[in-house]
Amino acid sequence: DGGITQSPKYLFRKEGQNVTLSCEQNLNHDAMYWYRQDPGQGLRLIYYSQIVNDFQKGDIAEGYSVSREKKESFPLTVTSAQKNPTAFYLCASRRDITGANVLTFGAGSRLTVL
Amino acid sequence: AQTVTQSQPEMSVQEAETVTLSCTYDTSENNYYLFWYKQPPSRQMILVIRQEAYKQQNATENRFSVNFQKAAKSFSLKISDSQLGDTAMYFCAFMKHESSGAGSYQLTFGKGTKLSVIP
Repeated sequence: DGGITQSPKYLFRKEGQNVTLSCEQNLNHDAMYWYRQDPGQGLRLIYYSQIVNDFQKGDIAEGYSVSREKKESFPLTVTSAQKNPTAFYLCASRRDITGANVLTFGAGSRLTVL
Repeated sequence: AQTVTQSQPEMSVQEAETVTLSCTYDTSENNYYLFWYKQPPSRQMILVIRQEAYKQQNATENRFSVNFQKAAKSFSLKISDSQLGDTAMYFCAFMKHESSGAGSYQLTFGKGTKLSVIP
């Protein structure tokens, strides 16, 4: 079945360490997104990518970095510069055809900074 | 910038009853899409229903329907015959239509409504 795979599901990090969250999709979707979710908050956009080798900052990009070397993959690195990284991270993708503007989400990754 | 407001942080409903979740949004755009997503305890985000702003007819998906009032910028979700599996966080979301086709098509989310279905 096609879908979006995020790994790891749970991740613990010490302060000062960088960590990379994986997002892989086999839906042949062009666009991919990273969102952050905090308790009592909606989802906030970190980064998005419309095509390979191109990505744009979202509303809360500070302390994060991404790459898009392959259509299927959009990893997110949480750097030590991110002041409050403990959160739930969701990856999504969207097929780039007229009218099909629905985002499909992965199951998420929970990052805890110790 | 667009904003989405869900004024009900928590709601509960008896099984088999009907419940309505509220959502209002603020935008200067004329063409856009509105969505309701469901996030059950598994935390997987699941699309419930989608509405295009240019369509006057309210969208329906089985037990789920919306009341879309464009002038009032209101987009409420009605769940009929509530089931225990409907227990979840429900998020209202806005997406701007990009006429050039090259836009981000990003979703702007409300803070969510936690719905509990009581047996």
